[in-house]
Amino acid sequence: QQQVKQSPQSLIVQKGGISIINCAYENTAFDYFPWYQQFPGKGPALLIAIRPDVSEKKEGRFTISFNKSAKQFSLHIMDSQPGDSATYFCAASWENTDKLIFGTGTRLQVFP
Amino acid sequence: GAGVSQSPRYKVAKRGQDVALRCDPISGHVSLFWYQQALGQGPEFLTYFQNEAQLDKSGLPSDRFFAERPEGSVSTLKIQRTQQEDSAVYLCASSRQTGNYGYTFGSGTRLTVV
Repeated sequence: QQQVKQSPQSLIVQKGGISIINCAYENTAFDYFPWYQQFPGKGPALLIAIRPDVSEKKEGRFTISFNKSAKQFSLHIMDSQPGDSATYFCAASWENTDKLIFGTGTRLQVFP
Repeated sequence: GAGVSQSPRYKVAKRGQDVALRCDPISGHVSLFWYQQALGQGPEFLTYFQNEAQLDKSGLPSDRFFAERPEGSVSTLKIQRTQQEDSAVYLCASSRQTGNYGYTFGSGTRLTVV
């Protein structure tokens, strides 16, 4: 019940295209859903996060869509660039804890 | 410093050896976390400190793992009698305040047990 399931495992997108990564969860107590970006040899870096009181959050080319009833959330990267090539992790956390449960990651490759 | 600093960056240990991994969080950050990241996997929670208090150690895989943050700043993760399954990247993160406002991760220590 504490798992966060992420798909796809890998994704290849052409430059300028839209990258979409999906996550699903079971624990309805989760109330914080961040996305992290990780480059090889580096730690994950917070990209964007959402709480369940909104259905969408946009920051630049990155958008989180959140479907509370379906217990799913997704990351959309518009106008994908080669510099976006990295591994992306969704995560979830719940009230009264700062502990994050991470998904298994999606390796994104953007080709020029 | 400007970011979370971890040392060493790489550590090779013989099976059965004890290791100590250091984390220097961002100055003034109250919360400090340790995560373990196996190859090709997402980070998995190990333990959490708020200042010097260890509030959650539910993720530590065995009693061979021990973490401390005695003065509420630098933290050390110690692994005794290392085993091959301990090979992973150990990530430290800090946060300015509690309540899920986003962590800053360090680059990690890659531990290889041979």
